[in-house]
Amino acid sequence: AQSVTQLGSHVSVSEGALVLLRCNYSSSVPPYLFWYVQYPNQGLQLLLKYTTGATLVKGINGFEAEFKKSETSFHLTKPSAHMSDAAEYFCAVSVNAGNMLTFGGGTRLMVKP
Amino acid sequence: EAGVAQSPRYKIIEKRQSVAFWCNPISGHATLYWYQQILGQGPKLLIQFQNNGVVDDSQLPKDRFSAERLKGVDSTLKIQPAKLEDSAVYLCASSPGQGKLAFFGQGTRLTVV
Repeated sequence: AQSVTQLGSHVSVSEGALVLLRCNYSSSVPPYLFWYVQYPNQGLQLLLKYTTGATLVKGINGFEAEFKKSETSFHLTKPSAHMSDAAEYFCAVSVNAGNMLTFGGGTRLMVKP
Repeated sequence: EAGVAQSPRYKIIEKRQSVAFWCNPISGHATLYWYQQILGQGPKLLIQFQNNGVVDDSQLPKDRFSAERLKGVDSTLKIQPAKLEDSAVYLCASSPGQGKLAFFGQGTRLTVV
């Protein structure tokens, strides 16, 4: 069985500040990890994914995440927040590249001017 | 390339009524998923199809929910009768095959009053 915990249902940052969204997972097998973004009234858009290989993964819009097996974490970061980053972010885990995703509860990112 | 199409975008019904949602996956995608996203929560997988066969429906409330993908392309998800707690966004996703990355539609927002 797999599960995902996203610490902090709401995160607020100032424009230009560092964005850090936390994700911890549990999985009985080597995990595939994903971050999705959801804008209001929109579907889910893939930001980045970790499958195998390099543990630092770069995604779209300047986001990146690092897989830390020892900490069972896959935190999402962006050096400088932009107003357009305001959205809901979901971390997800799977046993392979896309099968049957298990999502966390989501973190709503607010960006203050 | 066209994305995953869902209709309707919004639906409001009274409790105990029936409702159906439609999903047209990306052309050639063999795997199709239905997720339920309750407000403030992450998406939860309801059912997964591989072509016209069900791979996993363990989280589908079968007393009121049903889904089909008769020709292995389009899919419909039905709720009969609806309850207040069924209010959610229903997301459809498709992928070229099991283990391949899934792409999400914009979802159908259901409100049961």
